[in-house]
Amino acid sequence: AQRVTQPEKLLSVFKGAPVELKCNYSYSGSPELFWYVQYSRQRLQLLLRHISRESIKGFTADLNKGETSFHLKKPFAQEEDSAMYYCALSPGTGLGGATNKLIFGTGTLLAVQP
Amino acid sequence: DTGVSQDPRHKITKRGQNVTFRCDPISEHNRLYWYRQTLGQGPEFLTYFQNEAQLEKSRLLSDRFSAERPKGSFSTLEIQRTEQGDSAMYLCASSLDGELTDTQYFGPGTRLTVL
Repeated sequence: AQRVTQPEKLLSVFKGAPVELKCNYSYSGSPELFWYVQYSRQRLQLLLRHISRESIKGFTADLNKGETSFHLKKPFAQEEDSAMYYCALSPGTGLGGATNKLIFGTGTLLAVQP
Repeated sequence: DTGVSQDPRHKITKRGQNVTFRCDPISEHNRLYWYRQTLGQGPEFLTYFQNEAQLEKSRLLSDRFSAERPKGSFSTLEIQRTEQGDSAMYLCASSLDGELTDTQYFGPGTRLTVL
């Protein structure tokens, strides 16, 4: 079964503290993993994807196929990082019309305290 | 182009009524997705279009739900004989073919409340 698990509903940290949002997935093939973010009163938007191997707003995420994890990390949290974070998996390749539907976790609300 | 738009943003209806939502994707995006999000959950995939062809439907999409994308531009999602369990946020996303795994851009959603 294809599944994404985010074990924490809420993560509260102080400004300047390190952040790690956990994500584990279940998929038999080679999925692509994403982190989406939703700031208050804004739409869902892509934060980063594992295939790009880039850092966005100081966040990084490494795909660990052995542990089937894709944890999101930031060394020093900022108040503006407060948002809902969703980990997502795409099983499709997009070739030949195959869907690239996203399978989302339940999300983690990150609250950065001043 | 300001991104994916959805109309209406909010819809309150009585049980048993039919409702229709509209999604306008980013122009030139040929892929369009519908998702549903209930409280405390992440978005769940409903259906997918490549141009005007509906290529995949989730088992969540009962026969009361129908989606169309005539001419491969905007899309509509209709729910017939609404039930209280249909209350949710309905999200639309679009993307452009050409990348191995494309980036989906989401609309603001339509929040449906069934009384």
